[in-house]
Amino acid sequence: DSGVTQTPKHLITATGQRVTLRCSPRSGDLSVYWYQQSLDQGLQFLIQYYNGEERAKGNILERFSAQQFPDLHSELNLSSLELGDSALYFCASSHPYSGANVLTFGAGSRLTVL
Amino acid sequence: GQNIDQPTEMTATEGAIVQINCTYQTSGFNGLFWYQQHAGEAPTFLSYNVLDGLEEKGRFSSFLSRSKGYSYLLLKELQMKDSASYLCAPLGLTGGGNKLTFGTGTQLKVEL
Repeated sequence: DSGVTQTPKHLITATGQRVTLRCSPRSGDLSVYWYQQSLDQGLQFLIQYYNGEERAKGNILERFSAQQFPDLHSELNLSSLELGDSALYFCASSHPYSGANVLTFGAGSRLTVL
Repeated sequence: GQNIDQPTEMTATEGAIVQINCTYQTSGFNGLFWYQQHAGEAPTFLSYNVLDGLEEKGRFSSFLSRSKGYSYLLLKELQMKDSASYLCAPLGLTGGGNKLTFGTGTQLKVEL
């Protein structure tokens, strides 16, 4: 158990629908990161939050949004879902290590869009 | 921007040594991570290099040359459980803060 909790573990839905993925970071970690991993594309950075504020943005689609709440848990909202959104969505939180921040990943939420 | 190049697949024998290379071009380079990912599971942290040289951690070592934009991960005394994808991830300092970008990974298969 990495200490980063993601729910749900699996989700199957239809095109056009909207889903919310939830993440609780490790105790004491203030940053939350979201990554998308498709079969062909590897881990793609979506967005980062630090203590409730958006810190960095990657290739996140406009149909996707996220937020980090005062208790530091985060939600990733995916709307108007398309077949290509089927992927593993990882959340990670970070802690300092040798002057950098090491990411600890949750087990992921596997989204299947039919 | 960031360009990361690592071999797609490698095969090695149990007990042997394997070196996984990674070249990168990263704006505002601020160190390089290696992660291990078993199929369908979360990536797990292996190593971090920010200065040139070799960092040794048990059976795993990681090397960095900043001037060459080059790193490698060295795995010794390979075990079957080392069969996994190994992700090279340079850290880049952008206007929005540090950004960790992952390569597509090297799928290592350890055989008897």
